[in-house]
Amino acid sequence: DQQVKQNSPSLSVQEGRISILNCDYTNSMFDYFLWYKKYPAEGPTFLISISSIKDKNEDGRFTVFLNKSAKHLSLHIVPSQPGDSAVYFCAASVRTGANNLFFGTGTRLTVIP
Amino acid sequence: DAGVTQSPTHLIKTRGQQVTLRCSPISGHKSVSWYQQVLGQGPQFIFQYYEKEERGRGNFPDRFSARQFPNYSSELNVNALLLGDSALYLCASSLTPSGANVLTFGAGSRLTVL
Repeated sequence: DQQVKQNSPSLSVQEGRISILNCDYTNSMFDYFLWYKKYPAEGPTFLISISSIKDKNEDGRFTVFLNKSAKHLSLHIVPSQPGDSAVYFCAASVRTGANNLFFGTGTRLTVIP
Repeated sequence: DAGVTQSPTHLIKTRGQQVTLRCSPISGHKSVSWYQQVLGQGPQFIFQYYEKEERGRGNFPDRFSARQFPNYSSELNVNALLLGDSALYLCASSLTPSGANVLTFGAGSRLTVL
């Protein structure tokens, strides 16, 4: 049973435009959410996180929005750059529990120059 | 500082064989977790170890086992390999086993079972 879902396997965006990656979760116990980026032949790299006590967290070009009532989060990248082309994974955990992450299936972002 | 290092990077085994994968965490990190990433899927949690004790286990059969050493490095063992065990095996480390900690991943060990 997939507790974290990324329904868009791929996304293409023009350089300079906004990229929006979406993620849905089903387990109401999740209270900490993360986005990881993965390049080929590398491990996932942490990008940004958000606690369930917030609805927005921003770090430079990256902003994560959390809608707890809808069990939905999104990652906005503005402006998108060719170097952002990678697979993005949404992940969730329980802050007070063990840090085993539940990952989505990933969205491949391609930023077109 | 070195990141999370894993070995070997690639290996090929046949069905029924056994495999051992190794992981060295970031210096100072005492928690190590193992994940399996099958092609086209996200990483799936296998084990977490902290201070040499198993802290968590995912939904994997008993053919999968792991241990952590006094220097916090870790090994993942898989016995009686099946074709479906072909995957990228990722090791991640963190300061503590808390769910509030960010995991740092290694590049993985790609296992192919023929």
